[in-house]
Amino acid sequence: AQSVAQPEDQVNVAEGNPLTVKCTYSVSGNPYLFWYVQYPNRGLQFLLKYITGDNLVKGSYGFEAEFNKSQTSFHLKKPSALVSDSALYFCAVRRNTGGFKTIFGAGTRLFVKA
Amino acid sequence: DTGVSQNPRHKITKRGQNVTFRCDPISEHNRLYWYRQTLGQGPEFLTYFQNEAQLEKSRLLSDRFSAERPKGSFSTLEIQRTEQGDSAMYLCASRSDREKLFFGSGTQLSVL
Repeated sequence: AQSVAQPEDQVNVAEGNPLTVKCTYSVSGNPYLFWYVQYPNRGLQFLLKYITGDNLVKGSYGFEAEFNKSQTSFHLKKPSALVSDSALYFCAVRRNTGGFKTIFGAGTRLFVKA
Repeated sequence: DTGVSQNPRHKITKRGQNVTFRCDPISEHNRLYWYRQTLGQGPEFLTYFQNEAQLEKSRLLSDRFSAERPKGSFSTLEIQRTEQGDSAMYLCASRSDREKLFFGSGTQLSVL
């Protein structure tokens, strides 16, 4: 069975500070990992993905995430937060072999204060 | 590429009525998903199609829910005898091969 845990309901950071949104996962076999963002009254948008290769992946809007196989984590990071980054962030996982079901975490609301 | 299109955007219905939603995926995508999202929660997997074949349906889904993708293009999701607990945002997404999911804007269902 696949599952995703986002332990923080909300993350608060000041503009210009680094941010981290945490995600841990459980999946049989090797994972495909994703981060999506949802702005108010907008559909979910893809941010970045880990398929294979370099554990540090870079995505849209300056976001990056680090895949840590031993800790089964895929934390989302950004060196300098913007007020416009305030949104709902979802981590997702899918098995990379024979897998098609993408499972999402419950989401973390990021609030960046000016 | 016009993105994933969902209709209607909003649906208000009375308890016990049937509703049907439509999803038009990105044309070259052979994989199509339906998810349900309630306020403050992540998308919950409902069902998955590869071309016209429905390969998985969530065990959480009651028999009142049915989905089709008759020609491997657009898909419909029908809910029979709606209940207030069915009120949610219903999301459609499509993808090709190993790629990311592309989501539509969703259909917001309100059951009165």
